[in-house]
Amino acid sequence: GENVEQHPSTLSVQEGDSAVIKCTYSDSASNYFPWYKQELGKRPQLIIDIRSNVGEKKDQRIAVTLNKTAKHFSLHITETQPEDSAVYFCAARNYGGSQGNLIFGKGTKLSVKP
Amino acid sequence: DAGVTQSPTHLIKTRGQQVTLRCSPISGHKSVSWYQQVLGQGPQFIFQYYEKEERGRGNFPDRFSARQFPNYSSELNVNALLLGDSALYLCASSLAASSGDADFGPGTRLTVT
Repeated sequence: GENVEQHPSTLSVQEGDSAVIKCTYSDSASNYFPWYKQELGKRPQLIIDIRSNVGEKKDQRIAVTLNKTAKHFSLHITETQPEDSAVYFCAARNYGGSQGNLIFGKGTKLSVKP
Repeated sequence: DAGVTQSPTHLIKTRGQQVTLRCSPISGHKSVSWYQQVLGQGPQFIFQYYEKEERGRGNFPDRFSARQFPNYSSELNVNALLLGDSALYLCASSLAASSGDADFGPGTRLTVT
């Protein structure tokens, strides 16, 4: 089955700096890769996603890149702000397959220092 | 439109007891999935239901069971609770079994003492 590895587990940056979180996946059939932001005590919220027919997607300060050959994808946050502090999870799924369950990484705790 | 709703918000049970958690999907969504999130970890897939049928099951013991009703709401049951079952239980809904983004509910915080 699919396995998703996420690094680093913790990341501390100064406000205004960039943050990069990396994930690798094992199942070549996975073709949908969402990123979730989870604030303390709250639900995971989708912030950006990418499908395997696209190499990069950007939404304002957030971007995701995907390398299908190497089976890894990354989240890039530019001009970080204190409100970006949260736990970020990457996930993978086989979009269009018989099951739609997400396989999550273990999360990255991002701290943005003012 | 209302998002995914879950009840109860918090629950405290003792070992050996049974618990039922409830989830109502976003209107129009026919697929419901359940995830367990232990503190400090990513959500782990438990079940997926679509059109009242089980579409997938994660690596959880038979103490965990679920069902989906004609209105697409769902229940997750856990029998013979163990301390290790303490977690945030998240419900996610999507339009179909394998399409669309997963929208998560606020979760039910289960504490087993």
